[in-house]
Amino acid sequence: DAKTTQPPSMDCAEGRAANLPCNHSTISGNEYVYWYRQIHSQGPQYIIHGLKNNETNEMASLIITEDRKSSTLILPHATLRDTAVYYCIARGTSYDKVIFGPGTSLSVIP
Amino acid sequence: SAVISQKPSRDICQRGTSLTIQCQVDSQVTMMFWYRQQPGQSLTLIATANQGSEATYESGFVIDKFPISRPNLTFSTLTVSNMSPEDSSIYLCSVEGVRGQETYEQYFGPGTRLTVT
Repeated sequence: DAKTTQPPSMDCAEGRAANLPCNHSTISGNEYVYWYRQIHSQGPQYIIHGLKNNETNEMASLIITEDRKSSTLILPHATLRDTAVYYCIARGTSYDKVIFGPGTSLSVIP
Repeated sequence: SAVISQKPSRDICQRGTSLTIQCQVDSQVTMMFWYRQQPGQSLTLIATANQGSEATYESGFVIDKFPISRPNLTFSTLTVSNMSPEDSSIYLCSVEGVRGQETYEQYFGPGTRLTVT
């Protein structure tokens, strides 16, 4: 699985969009970009995943660059409950193991 | 999605003893995984558990220390054997491949917080 790089921490004002970047310059053609988050003392929660097209669901949007070397997770209107560690993972076919990096600790500030 | 429960939710154990953690899923699933999360750290994969075969362990984890069972498609156990304080962690079960669903993401249990004294 390709290695991903994320900033260790970010702040975001409540109600504003939170844009979390991820670099995955060695991603291969069949690897998807997955995002999970872990709210303190809970198990990780799946957010979204994509291959090369932008994706949107009820939680977030995922923007993947055309060369697929980086992506951005967008939380359109961050709330205090979005304070968590966000993990970006490059992963191959289904049932591949999920390898977690250190992630980005997002703090949503009132 | 899948609802995953783990027992116990937390425990305090003495060194040298063993603890078995149970993971129960409300749906049949293809794959089950066990992770460890040490204090202040990210998650580390311990092993992958498939029904009907032995678990596949990641580098640094061995079956004698972390025996795993997967008797059916909805249940698995992880045993932490001969515990030492370094085993104090949160242990998480995750699943993938919920029967009847075509999406492929992992769902995680709430974790078991283990403290070894």
